[in-house]
Amino acid sequence: QQPVQSPQAVILREGEDAVINCSSSKALYSVHWYRQKHGEAPVFLMILLKGGEQKGHEKISASFNEKKQQSSLYLTASQLSYSGTYFCGTEKTLPGGSEKLVFGKGTKLTVNP
Amino acid sequence: NAGVTQTPKFRILKIGQSMTLQCAQDMNHNYMYWYRQDPGMGLKLIYYSVGAGITDKGEVPNGYNVSRSTTEDFPLRLELAAPSQTSVYFCASSYPNQPQHFGDGTRLSIL
Repeated sequence: QQPVQSPQAVILREGEDAVINCSSSKALYSVHWYRQKHGEAPVFLMILLKGGEQKGHEKISASFNEKKQQSSLYLTASQLSYSGTYFCGTEKTLPGGSEKLVFGKGTKLTVNP
Repeated sequence: NAGVTQTPKFRILKIGQSMTLQCAQDMNHNYMYWYRQDPGMGLKLIYYSVGAGITDKGEVPNGYNVSRSTTEDFPLRLELAAPSQTSVYFCASSYPNQPQHFGDGTRLSIL
């Protein structure tokens, strides 16, 4: 039920690109992406909804493949400020219409000068 | 606009003690959540609420209780604290299918 993120960790030099994947064994309705810096709260990056378009946020974008039940986060021309742990969350709709997010274990991204 | 406010920021408890972690939001969000995050791990949902008077269990509810008497407040109660409950606790709120806004967290140690 918990989405699987890969890789677990990645180290980049400033300016390099990275891809973080999030896959689920269940059909996905939406995927949320958050970034958490050490000692801080998670911060929202973007939501991808079923049937929606690829989203972008500055040099960070994401895609959502409903058939493959996976989402990918693309970080291009990485900056030092991109360092942190990235979490994907997949939405589970419960009887009655309420929803909750189940988060993956995270991908730790380190960007070095 | 304060967003999601959690108190206290830090707390040390002795085994067997009880305490309440406070969470308040001023965004009029329907949904509120409590997560715990163990070192180097992801977020695990403890309890959530879809509106005042309605709460439900998440993945790891044992040892905790919640209440939601108002839209704004969603306190988390720990009864009989155990070392396994040492963690960072995050409260969050949202509208349905919208981003979750997180508080700054409560760092709890149980010795």
